[in-house]
Amino acid sequence: DVKVTQSSRYLVKRTGEKVFLECVQDMDHENMFWYRQDPGLGLRLIYFSYDVKMKEKGDIPEGYSVSREKKERFSLILESASTNQTSMYLCASSLGAGVNTEAFFGQGTRLTVV
Amino acid sequence: GENVEQHPSTLSVQEGDSAVIKCTYSDSASNYFPWYKQELGKRPQLIIDIRSNVGEKKDQRIAVTLNKTAKHFSLHITETQPEDSAVYFCAASFPPLMDSNYQLIWGAGTKLIIKP
Repeated sequence: DVKVTQSSRYLVKRTGEKVFLECVQDMDHENMFWYRQDPGLGLRLIYFSYDVKMKEKGDIPEGYSVSREKKERFSLILESASTNQTSMYLCASSLGAGVNTEAFFGQGTRLTVV
Repeated sequence: GENVEQHPSTLSVQEGDSAVIKCTYSDSASNYFPWYKQELGKRPQLIIDIRSNVGEKKDQRIAVTLNKTAKHFSLHITETQPEDSAVYFCAASFPPLMDSNYQLIWGAGTKLIIKP
């Protein structure tokens, strides 16, 4: 059973703080993704990574950065949190190498920036 | 750019009736079309998917149809039950740029409400 685990379920941070959201998967997946979910806007891709140390910008990368030092871990970083980054953040992973396969999601982190 | 449109945004049906959710995609090179269900407070989970070499796929009460010419695909749920209440997302794969991998582009979601 694939497990994608996000470090926090709920997080409250202050404006201007540096925020780290961590995601770990245990199935040796090549691809990992960070999405932001807001009502009526679906799942918007922030960044994805298809290999260690590789990353690509998604649709809304502004204000975010990522780190993938190990295959199983993909971190999302908010360099200076702002109130408009209050949202639900979902991490996902999937097998890679050009194969279209199922994406497995973490439980989500609801981030509130005050 | 690549785009997936999903309709309707909210769908309310009587228990026992059928529900249909439709998605259209922009890139004719898309070849993989999954549907995810997200129950309240839970993570999205795959419920059914279809690849471009197939026109229809069924799994018990759910089915997906694909029309490649028109670039649209639909989720059909028959004999709806209260546990079908959730948000449903469609997605379409888009070919990789350079050395990257295929990406999924997501629809905005449909909130399905099953009325008792």
